[in-house]
Amino acid sequence: QSALTQPASVSGSPGQSITISCTGTSSDVGGYNYVSWYQHHPGKAPKLMIYDVSNRPSGVSNRFSGSKSGNTASLSISGLQTEDEADYFCSSYTSSSTFYVFGTGTKVTVL
Amino acid sequence: QVTLKESGPALVKPTQTLTLTCTFSGFSLSTSAMRVSWIRQPPGKALEWLARIDWNDDKFYSTSLKTRLTISKDTSKNQVVLRMTNMDPVDTATYYCARDSGYDWYSDYWGQGTLVTVSS
Repeated sequence: QSALTQPASVSGSPGQSITISCTGTSSDVGGYNYVSWYQHHPGKAPKLMIYDVSNRPSGVSNRFSGSKSGNTASLSISGLQTEDEADYFCSSYTSSSTFYVFGTGTKVTVL
Repeated sequence: QVTLKESGPALVKPTQTLTLTCTFSGFSLSTSAMRVSWIRQPPGKALEWLARIDWNDDKFYSTSLKTRLTISKDTSKNQVVLRMTNMDPVDTATYYCARDSGYDWYSDYWGQGTLVTVSS
């Protein structure tokens, strides 16, 4: 099972908007609405930001939004803030026997 | 408040068996639809799902590692244990446990992970 493909890094200035892509196949991202996104500050527990493609858990800022088109899911962050600087990874249910497949991870830098 | 914490040896030798414990609070694994997964991330590589145990004691394993993994739970202690046999340097990774909630496909809470290095 290959990992989902994410850009290694994305950057933006405070207040700007950025988008992180997550590309898979029809066996995972494209086949199911079970894409989730996580924010990870190194050394801390990953935090769920988006589930089921576009749903935000309670307490997550509405600056974070998710979408999907075909085999590619996207996480958008609007009004970029310094505390958004972190690693982000996507995950999808997969019809393979591993249940979940994860993205390669994207480092977001706030300039 | 849901929390999970991984514990176990930081260093294991090749061919040894790794035993990791996930101690959690804020939920019970005897509650319907609760599940705990183990996931790992080798340095510089993507995360890899390893195994899951459900509230009803159903167990699921990654096909590629199935022969080496055993997952179990102790509901009274709020713990999930993962054993991985025949450790190899390629198994060097940060190991995470995470709660999967409900009949859905995402982990809503994660531990901070524990780094395991396999070296002689």
